[in-house]
Amino acid sequence: QSALTQPASVSGSPGQSITISCTGTSSDVGDYKYVSWYQRHPGRAPKVILYDVSNRPSGVSNRFSGSKSGNTASLTISGLQAEDEADYFCSSYTSTSTPYVFGTGTKVTVL
Amino acid sequence: QVQLVQSGAEVKKPGASVKVSCKASGYTFTNYAIHWVRQAPGQRLEWMGWINVGNGNRKYSQKFQGRVTITRDTSAGTAHMELSSLRSEDTAVYYCAKHDNSDYYFDLWGQGTPVTVSS
Repeated sequence: QSALTQPASVSGSPGQSITISCTGTSSDVGDYKYVSWYQRHPGRAPKVILYDVSNRPSGVSNRFSGSKSGNTASLTISGLQAEDEADYFCSSYTSTSTPYVFGTGTKVTVL
Repeated sequence: QVQLVQSGAEVKKPGASVKVSCKASGYTFTNYAIHWVRQAPGQRLEWMGWINVGNGNRKYSQKFQGRVTITRDTSAGTAHMELSSLRSEDTAVYYCAKHDNSDYYFDLWGQGTPVTVSS
């Protein structure tokens, strides 16, 4: 199964905005609106923060937003806060034999 | 409280099997699916398979076909993932994740179970 490509790390100062990209192929990100994003703090269960590219589950801050263009999806965190320091990974539904593929993960550091 | 609680860390020898459990609470267990995903050190997350808890149907990644078995105990509200013929490359954190059959994302995850395969 192929992986979705993310930058290994992204950093920003409190209050700034950062964007994390998630690049796939025409068999996954490019062909479906079913891209989701997850936040994972060390030692804790991952938590969904966006689904279907840009939808936020109840309780997730509106500082998190998503978009997609072609084979690349993006997660933007606005008004960066210390609590946003975590690992973030994307996932997409795929038309291959493996129904879900994941990103390589991005570590977000709040400076 | 809606949560998935996984069993504790495991250390196994090559060739052995490991069985990881995932206990659900706070929702109707049989209305959703459970997927299993793993992450080896320095690697990306990798989908292993899933089970429709309601009817027991399951599907496995071709990579793990023949070595992985996913089951569920509806009376106990628990799903299990058993991986056999372990090798060092199976050292990873294993996660269960809840999935609504009408959606395409995982709305609840377990905390992860570290499995170490070492002689």
